[in-house]
Amino acid sequence: QLQLQQSGPGLVKPSQTLSLTCAISGDSVSNNNVAWNWIRQSPSRGLEWLGRTYYRSKWFNDYAVSVKSRITVNPDTSKNQFSLQLNSVTPEDTAVYFCARAIKGYFNLWGRGTLVTVSS
Amino acid sequence: DIVMTQSPDSLAVSLGERATISCKSSQSVLSSIDNNNYLAWYQQKPGQPPKPLIYWASARESGVPARFSGSGSGTDFTLTISSLQAEDVAVYYCQQYYSLPYTFGQGTKLEI
Repeated sequence: QLQLQQSGPGLVKPSQTLSLTCAISGDSVSNNNVAWNWIRQSPSRGLEWLGRTYYRSKWFNDYAVSVKSRITVNPDTSKNQFSLQLNSVTPEDTAVYFCARAIKGYFNLWGRGTLVTVSS
Repeated sequence: DIVMTQSPDSLAVSLGERATISCKSSQSVLSSIDNNNYLAWYQQKPGQPPKPLIYWASARESGVPARFSGSGSGTDFTLTISSLQAEDVAVYYCQQYYSLPYTFGQGTKLEI
């Protein structure tokens, strides 16, 4: 069954690193026809695409300019999953974080979401 | 970045009536290469992730009821629910996937 299972802490201290993982079932992180994305949602910013990783004979990444200096999205082929790292977080990074599978940019499968609160 | 603007922000419709939501993009999302509009619609209920409804502006995702339809081209798009059911109460979002960064509308809250 095709699904995405998210994991990671729900509370992160300011200036530290937010780390989330998205485990893939029913597909491969190395699928040449899809991309693996992170999206967040907050009342102030709405739905915001953050970044993606995808495989087209080699691995590629794209990131939103707003977080480009702080974000890393990595695939893990041994565990068939991908991850999000967001460094130097502030309270403005408090949001629900979703992982999502995309075909040509259309998000056809979403994880259930993880509420991450940035607070000391 | 392509800015997506939805209207209205909220909408109240009676059961069985038609609901129409508009989405406008700040630039065209119609590809001259494949003649597709890179526009999607999602439905989100509280505590859940967005659920894909429509892609390529008018193609219904598998399992989505036929009362949901998408139309439009270029910069102007519409999501129509032909006969509102109680379970359609949700927030609806449009999204462009024509160019990075992918962007979403601010959402339209649909109520009965």
